[in-house]
Amino acid sequence: GDSVTQMEGPVTLSEEAFLTINCTYTATGYPSLFWYVQYPGEGLQLLLKATKADDKGSNKGFEATYRKETTSFHLEKGSVQVSDSAVYFCALTSGGSNYKLTFGKGTLLTVNP
Amino acid sequence: DGGITQSPKYLFRKEGQNVTLSCEQNLNHDAMYWYRQDPGQGLRLIYYSQIVNDFQKGDIAEGYSVSREKKESFPLTVTSAQKNPTAFYLCASSIIGSNTGELFFGEGSRLTVL
Repeated sequence: GDSVTQMEGPVTLSEEAFLTINCTYTATGYPSLFWYVQYPGEGLQLLLKATKADDKGSNKGFEATYRKETTSFHLEKGSVQVSDSAVYFCALTSGGSNYKLTFGKGTLLTVNP
Repeated sequence: DGGITQSPKYLFRKEGQNVTLSCEQNLNHDAMYWYRQDPGQGLRLIYYSQIVNDFQKGDIAEGYSVSREKKESFPLTVTSAQKNPTAFYLCASSIIGSNTGELFFGEGSRLTVL
């Protein structure tokens, strides 16, 4: 079945540091890949997505590239801010007749001033 | 504003009691979902529904029940058969017919069993 493995946290960085959160996946067919973000006490929000190989998703300074050869979708940001402190989830869907998302376990990011 | 509303935000339950969590959406989405979130385990799918009066079990449906009598509403009942119900519950919805896979989430309901 489908699965997502993302680096375990927590990750603690200083403001303006470079961020990488690793994500690899196992899926049948050609999945779509997502990063969701959850701020404290809230539900999840879609951060970015990529629907085919070599696509790059980007939003709010975050980027991730769909790498089929390495089955990866690593999240990066060049300069993090305190407001980026949140839990980040990598996810995939294989589409088909249902649209269930399979999530990774989440990575807690804390950015200190 | 369009969105998903979950209630209550916090709920306490005694062992042996059933409890129902509400989820309402005004996005006109066909599909709705319930996920359970536990620390260090990510999100696990409980039930989902793609059309009114129809729903399917997810990965951890035991001890839960749902109904989908209206397109806008997808309540989740946590029954006394659920052995470890303390968790954060998230409701979501999505469109059907495209492969975007984007889910829209509510703000969640935190259930604590005393």
